[in-house]
Amino acid sequence: DIQMTQSPASLSASLEEIVTITCKASQGIDDYLSWYQQKPGKSPQLLIYDATSLADGVPSRFSGSRSGTQYSLKISRPQVDDSGIYYCLQSYSTPLTFGSGTKLEIK
Amino acid sequence: EVQLVESGGGLVQPGRSLKLSCAASGFTFSNYYMAWVRQAPTKGLEWVASITNSGGSTYYRDSVKGRFTISRDNAKSTLYLQMDSLRSEDTATYYCTRDRHWFAYWGQGTLVTVSS
Repeated sequence: DIQMTQSPASLSASLEEIVTITCKASQGIDDYLSWYQQKPGKSPQLLIYDATSLADGVPSRFSGSRSGTQYSLKISRPQVDDSGIYYCLQSYSTPLTFGSGTKLEIK
Repeated sequence: EVQLVESGGGLVQPGRSLKLSCAASGFTFSNYYMAWVRQAPTKGLEWVASITNSGGSTYYRDSVKGRFTISRDNAKSTLYLQMDSLRSEDTATYYCTRDRHWFAYWGQGTLVTVSS
């Protein structure tokens, strides 16, 4: 199974910062990597697919990138509404595996 | 508008069965892979199973293989998850999702509680 090591587990950021969340895959996943945001009591929402493509309706302050087998989600000048839990997902092979999640608080 | 509406969750005793349904609308159901993803209370997301658009192939995580069965009725635009021999660790909110490589659409989830 492919392991997705997500970090950090939690972070707090201000409105002026750049937030970066990373997921390292235990092997190559050919950019079959997506990112999700989940708010309390709600279903997850797709942010990024194919590692770097922005999902429909998602603000351009969200972006995705890759370096080797490490994938990153960047939020530039986050808004208070960006608070929530973020997950990565690899869909290169089954079992599909999610990262453990990052709880983000925007102050 | 794409809609996915799950139903069938509830309280069930260990070892018993439950069948979840997901009614899809707003898209051509038979064109898409579908999947179930679950989330135990206060825990992260966990992929459970996927099915090809025709229903000809299915995929499961090891912990549910042989106990859960994913299926679909393309004529009714409905996805199913038959869950047998339920265990306490199956307690979770179960989400229906669309697509193969990323999940752009999710249902609201249905809670399954396995407890005596």
